[in-house]
Amino acid sequence: RKEVEQDPGPFNVPEGATVAFNCTYSNSASQSFFWYRQDCRKEPKLLMSVYSSGNEDGRFTAQLNRASQYISLLIRDSKLSDSATYLCVVNTGGGNKLTFGTGTQLKVEL
Amino acid sequence: GAVVSQHPSWVICKSGTSVKIECRSLDFQATTMFWYRQFPKQSLMLMATSNEGSKATYEQGVEKDKFLINHASLTLSTLTVTSAHPEDSSFYICSATSGETGALQETQYFGPGTRLLVL
Repeated sequence: RKEVEQDPGPFNVPEGATVAFNCTYSNSASQSFFWYRQDCRKEPKLLMSVYSSGNEDGRFTAQLNRASQYISLLIRDSKLSDSATYLCVVNTGGGNKLTFGTGTQLKVEL
Repeated sequence: GAVVSQHPSWVICKSGTSVKIECRSLDFQATTMFWYRQFPKQSLMLMATSNEGSKATYEQGVEKDKFLINHASLTLSTLTVTSAHPEDSSFYICSATSGETGALQETQYFGPGTRLLVL
């Protein structure tokens, strides 16, 4: 079983739609959780950290369910510029070691 | 702030040659740098962690004699792919943390990556 699993997509949605991505992680001792965005042929960029109480940043909402070892990202009012691959990232080993999921590809269309 | 650069951005080389990739923190001192590799349609895989002035810690399955890492200063780490072969063709990305906050989990700042193609 992969340490971090995501549905690879692609998710093709019309502009303005709401879309949700899910992610599961296998290590129950994981401490920190993040969503990164990666554009084609570019480096990943931090979108937001994920906190136990859930957190929101503009159109983006992240949720964490430790009991189910499940993380989600909700994007409201999708923009064309949201088209990218969204990476679920978990700090699994303590310190600064990050484990990346394979990513979920989002394509926002007119 | 917190800018990380990589050089070169892309490189094409013949099989058997060695390639050096540089990772620099431009506006902060990086106590720890990480090297990742990403194959097409796959996730980033951590190759090794390097702390300034000490030997790198390699992940399981990564050959330390093939992927030489040097972190000689607080702003520069290098990854040398020795005797490169076509299967080493990949996207190599570095990241860095400053260690300023002293927190166990620091934000990693990623470089733009280096695309390596071995013919």
